[in-house]
Amino acid sequence: DVKVTQSSRYLVKRTGEKVFLECVQDMDHENMFWYRQDPGLGLRLIYFSYDVKMKEKGDIPEGYSVSREKKERFSLILESASTNQTSMYLCASSLSGANVLTFGAGSRLTVL
Amino acid sequence: QQQVKQSPQSLIVQKGGISIINCAYENTAFDYFPWYQQFPGKGPALLIAIRPDVSEKKEGRFTISFNKSAKQFSLHIMDSQPGDSATYFCAASTPNDMRFGAGTRLTVKP
Repeated sequence: DVKVTQSSRYLVKRTGEKVFLECVQDMDHENMFWYRQDPGLGLRLIYFSYDVKMKEKGDIPEGYSVSREKKERFSLILESASTNQTSMYLCASSLSGANVLTFGAGSRLTVL
Repeated sequence: QQQVKQSPQSLIVQKGGISIINCAYENTAFDYFPWYQQFPGKGPALLIAIRPDVSEKKEGRFTISFNKSAKQFSLHIMDSQPGDSATYFCAASTPNDMRFGAGTRLTVKP
């Protein structure tokens, strides 16, 4: 069974802390994505990556950065967490040129 | 500004009824229209999808209706069951860009 694994399901952090959200996929997918899910706003794309060491900004990249050092791993970094970054974060992957996304179960982040 | 508008935000249907969720898009470059289903505590999963060269696609109790001229598409769930209770997202995409609607929380009452 193919999988996208988000290792941290629930995190509670304080304002100003640095936060790492990790995502690993075992499908040898080229593309990886980070979305943010908020009620009434759907899924908004933060960053995506088409290849190792490559990254592209999505619709809401401010306050976030990403790292993709290996094909299977895509990390989302909040350099200095703020309360408005309290949200559900979803990682997804897909084959190159494919429209179908496979999502992880999500990481719910609360920033106090 | 959302490129895909989804309605309603929430929907309550009796068991056995028909659930209908609507979406509209603006960008005519979109060429793939999937629906994702998300259960609590899980990530969204692809439910059914359609390309604009057909007007309807059916998979079991789930049907997508697509109106290219109106730039609208909808999901119909026939004989809705309590197990269908979930959040549904429509999306529209090109190979390099996928845009999601805001989601519809469906509750099917027994």
